[in-house]
Amino acid sequence: SQQGEEDPQALSIQEGENATMNCSYKTSINNLQWYRQNSGRGLVHLILIRSNEREKHSGRLRVTLDTSKKSSSLLITASRAADTASYFCATDPGGGADGLTFGKGTHLIIQP
Amino acid sequence: NAGVMQNPRHLVRRRGQEARLRCSPMKGHSHVYWYRQLPEEGLKFMVYLQKENIIDESGMPKERFSAEFPKEGPSILRIQQVVRGDSAAYFCASSPTVVNTEAFFGQGTRLTVV
Repeated sequence: SQQGEEDPQALSIQEGENATMNCSYKTSINNLQWYRQNSGRGLVHLILIRSNEREKHSGRLRVTLDTSKKSSSLLITASRAADTASYFCATDPGGGADGLTFGKGTHLIIQP
Repeated sequence: NAGVMQNPRHLVRRRGQEARLRCSPMKGHSHVYWYRQLPEEGLKFMVYLQKENIIDESGMPKERFSAEFPKEGPSILRIQQVVRGDSAAYFCASSPTVVNTEAFFGQGTRLTVV
């Protein structure tokens, strides 16, 4: 099955609440990345976490990585309407092999 | 329904040669995006195309790079007179409509300039 499976597929929350998205993968990785895609636009790189890191922060974003469970989570705190988008995780096996593998994404809707 | 197909998977070019990267979107998809990934970095958006039109090329270098998505056939990313700094993985993604945010990615083309 597909590497980088996001969960849930869709999420709708109220503005101001926190949003959590999960990503599971199957093979070993060098790093894992999260991306956002707004409707009709290209991907925007949000954050990269390396396999030897457990947690990383960037503004209102918090990413965790558990390599023993082969899973990652993306937390967006104090959500805003502008956070409405699709969020993808991507795994990088490293070593110059095969590039990134993307999941199908979580579609996040922030209700005003 | 085959996924997004990119070819070749690996491409080696000498400095000064041309590189042509192909992307066949999923059946029924008319929107294509190209991205570049430098080693150990995230994807960087390059260009967004619909059939026969370039919608947004704000991420593509003005010199040596061009992209097209003809009415028939795959989308092509063309790099003329390649330099070592062009070595990267190039990904394309396709989506059926601009309203549908789900994009499907190809496995990428790894370009190495020697």
